Amino acid sequence: DTEVTQTPKHLVMGMTNKKSLKCEQHMGHRAMYWYKQKAKKPPELMFVYSYEKLSINESVPSRFSPECPNSSLLNLHLHALQPEDSALYLCASSPFPGESNQPQHFGDGTRLSIL
Amino acid sequence: AQTVTQSQPEMSVQEAETVTLSCTYDTSENNYYLFWYKQPPSRQMILVIRQEAYKQQNATENRFSVNFQKAAKSFSLKISDSQLGDTAMYFCAFMKHEPDSNYQLIWGAGTKLIIKP
Repeated sequence: DTEVTQTPKHLVMGMTNKKSLKCEQHMGHRAMYWYKQKAKKPPELMFVYSYEKLSINESVPSRFSPECPNSSLLNLHLHALQPEDSALYLCASSPFPGESNQPQHFGDGTRLSIL
Repeated sequence: AQTVTQSQPEMSVQEAETVTLSCTYDTSENNYYLFWYKQPPSRQMILVIRQEAYKQQNATENRFSVNFQKAAKSFSLKISDSQLGDTAMYFCAFMKHEPDSNYQLIWGAGTKLIIKP
């Protein structure tokens, strides 16, 4: 059982659609992350939220819009995506941004396919 | 800049054998952390083991152990008595110690490990 819950597990959408990915954790973690992962590749960091504030944006295109409504939730809003955006999107959390010895806990991911 | 190298794209061993996955890294930092993550076909990224650079003792977690050679910048993972459930992609990752900031993982390319019955 994963302690980081991501929904949906699979998503197929057209390039003109608007959809959202959701991530939830109830471990009291104060840092949350979005990653994009292509097949057989390591995850690529997209965004980091620290104490509900966006602290890192790795030059991600504006068609990806993150949102952190509270300390337990992290959303990724999608709009006008391209076929190359098809990938596994992983959410992760870690206890405190200031404690580097605490590992990141990952969810199962959302498999996104863009038609 | 830090880099992590996993030189074995794929490995396969028989069940119950011991296997070692290699990882080397490059950094000028003195304080950092190293991790091995496992990603089975079920997709979830699972932490296998972690090592603090300031600790000389190698980390162990049940059947998993590391050989941490700080001077050589090497961090290999040994899996003893391998099981079918160990089949997965294994990623080595580096994180530098940087107080009061976010911590970004630097990932290796991964090694696909197949355990054969």
